[in-house]
Amino acid sequence: AQSVSQHNHHVILSEAASLELGCNYSYGGTVNLFWYVQYPGQHLQLLLKYFSGDPLVKGIKGFEAEFIKSKFSFNLRKPSVQWSDTAEYFCAVNADTDKLIFGTGTRLQVFP
Amino acid sequence: DAGVTQSPTHLIKTRGQHVTLRCSPISGHKSVSWYQQVLGQGPQFIFQYYEKEERGRGNFPDRFSARQFPNYSSELNVNALLLGDSALYLCASSPSGQGYGYTFGSGTRLTVV
Repeated sequence: AQSVSQHNHHVILSEAASLELGCNYSYGGTVNLFWYVQYPGQHLQLLLKYFSGDPLVKGIKGFEAEFIKSKFSFNLRKPSVQWSDTAEYFCAVNADTDKLIFGTGTRLQVFP
Repeated sequence: DAGVTQSPTHLIKTRGQHVTLRCSPISGHKSVSWYQQVLGQGPQFIFQYYEKEERGRGNFPDRFSARQFPNYSSELNVNALLLGDSALYLCASSPSGQGYGYTFGSGTRLTVV
């Protein structure tokens, strides 16, 4: 069965620090990969997605993610975080079915 | 354009009662999926409908059911509510249901007391 692991449950950073959130999935075939963000009191929003092609994907708000097939990973990065990036971040995978499998999420707190 | 709209936004029900949650997808989107998000966890897939037919079902009991109407809106029904059904219920729509760019609604917060 497909699964997604997000090993960082809670990350605390100061503004301007660099961010990397880990995401690993288990599935041997072709996958579509997503990062969603949930700001406090708001709905899930798509940050970026990978279907095929260039494994380095750029998303909104300066986020990017790199798909490393050999490591079954799709880590999210941002060179310099802002206070407004405080949110919960979810990695998700979609393979041979139409459903999204989500990780448990990483709560990011950014302090000024 | 309107996004995915869900109603109601909040709901309080008593154990054993029944609840109906509603979702209107983005105009032109034919696929609707339902997810349950328990506090502190990622969303869990419940159902997907495409062109009014069930495309997928997650690991939820038969108390959970759903349907999609000709206008592509959808309802999620939960019977015999349990305390553990308290969660945020999310609806997502996409053009084709092939995992491309799901757009989520703000959800319905269900509290079972």
